[in-house]
Amino acid sequence: NAGVMQNPRHLVRRRGQEARLRCSPMKGHSHVYWYRQLPEEGLKFMVYLQKENIIDESGMPKERFSAEFPKEGPSILRIQQVVRGDSAAYFCASSPGGGKESQYFGPGTRLTVL
Amino acid sequence: RKEVEQDPGPFNVPEGATVAFNCTYSNSASQSFFWYRQDCRKEPKLLMSVYSSGNEDGRFTAQLNRASQYISLLIRDSKLSDSATYLCVVSLRSNDYKLSFGAGTTVTVRA
Repeated sequence: NAGVMQNPRHLVRRRGQEARLRCSPMKGHSHVYWYRQLPEEGLKFMVYLQKENIIDESGMPKERFSAEFPKEGPSILRIQQVVRGDSAAYFCASSPGGGKESQYFGPGTRLTVL
Repeated sequence: RKEVEQDPGPFNVPEGATVAFNCTYSNSASQSFFWYRQDCRKEPKLLMSVYSSGNEDGRFTAQLNRASQYISLLIRDSKLSDSATYLCVVSLRSNDYKLSFGAGTTVTVRA
């Protein structure tokens, strides 16, 4: 049973470009969570999605960031007009249900903004 | 004030030693508690959940002190493979899917 898949593993963008991060949950999991880890800091919750629905986006910056989890295909975290402060590791997690179900993390995407 | 605070360490211990460390959380409404480990900034992996009565999993023992709002982790008979960053994680009853992570405590076990 494949784990949570994320791609790309490393992404380099110049300021002002767009970054698209993909996450495929574990088989049988319909709940996806995105977290961001800045250097020397803990992971910070960004958004919680189920298929075609955003359940909680309270951790998402108000501008430039968006997330989706379409009926078919992976979940996408999109960052428009990236700035240097967006450089971080972005982790996706999935769970079979919501609430207290254990979350399983993917290997992360390391975004570097030049 | 941070939601979850941890001593960053590092804790450098010889193989076979016992090492213990705590984390504190700020929100008294926190309901679920976990320890994750993270190797070299890779993905966090669940080590164990922490229950009110305390719990043990092999060489690892976790304790919860609700009155003082801290969680502890004790590792007995340390192995080289225990070298990692240990993340303290809590969530609230109201939205228990939203995990709050500490910045981690680094443990290095030397031969």
